[in-house]
Amino acid sequence: EVQLVESGGDLVQPGGSLRLSCAASGLTFSTYAMSWVRQAPGKGLEWVSRISGAGGSTNYADSVKGRFTISRDNSKNTLYLQMNSLRAEDTAVYYCAKVGSSWHFDYWGQGTLVTVSS
Amino acid sequence: EIVLTQSPATLSLSPGERATLSCRASQSVSTSLAWYQQKPGQAPRLLIYDASNRATGIPARFSGSGSGTDFTLTISSLEPEDFAVYYCQQFRNWPPLTFGGGTKVEIK
Repeated sequence: EVQLVESGGDLVQPGGSLRLSCAASGLTFSTYAMSWVRQAPGKGLEWVSRISGAGGSTNYADSVKGRFTISRDNSKNTLYLQMNSLRAEDTAVYYCAKVGSSWHFDYWGQGTLVTVSS
Repeated sequence: EIVLTQSPATLSLSPGERATLSCRASQSVSTSLAWYQQKPGQAPRLLIYDASNRATGIPARFSGSGSGTDFTLTISSLEPEDFAVYYCQQFRNWPPLTFGGGTKVEIK
């Protein structure tokens, strides 16, 4: 059974940094692209970033480009999201998601809450 | 960027009724569309991918149809556990991967 468990969410001041982690199990992790998707309180879903299985290819939403960095450690079956220069509008639950065969998201973690506030 | 517009925003129905949810894309996405269900406090769950393929474990009362710019998610007979928010997502042209704004199916 595929399991994705996020961690690292916290309360951080504007301009601060945070690193999220997503531990994966039940799959051959290095085989699959992974993504981060976020959801602001009471709002819809927003795709944040994606990384290829080997980690050599990444993409970002314009709203986070230049501030967030996605990475992975396939030896640890773990996905990361380094978030710098955080803004109030980055406040959201951040989900990691496994990318399926057609670029849909077939497995999701339970989410971790990031709150950016002074 | 492809914009997905979902309608209606809210659908008020009774258990046993048929639900028809719409997702319209600002340009053709072929059949590169997925549907997700999200309940309060939970992560989204994949229901349909490639416009009409049910994901593993999804009941047959959920069906997806459409291609190009117009898509429909149908729930043939609403069960109590189906009252939730539903999102569509396109993966034809990206980045960015985009989601619709959601349709809330509530108990009438």
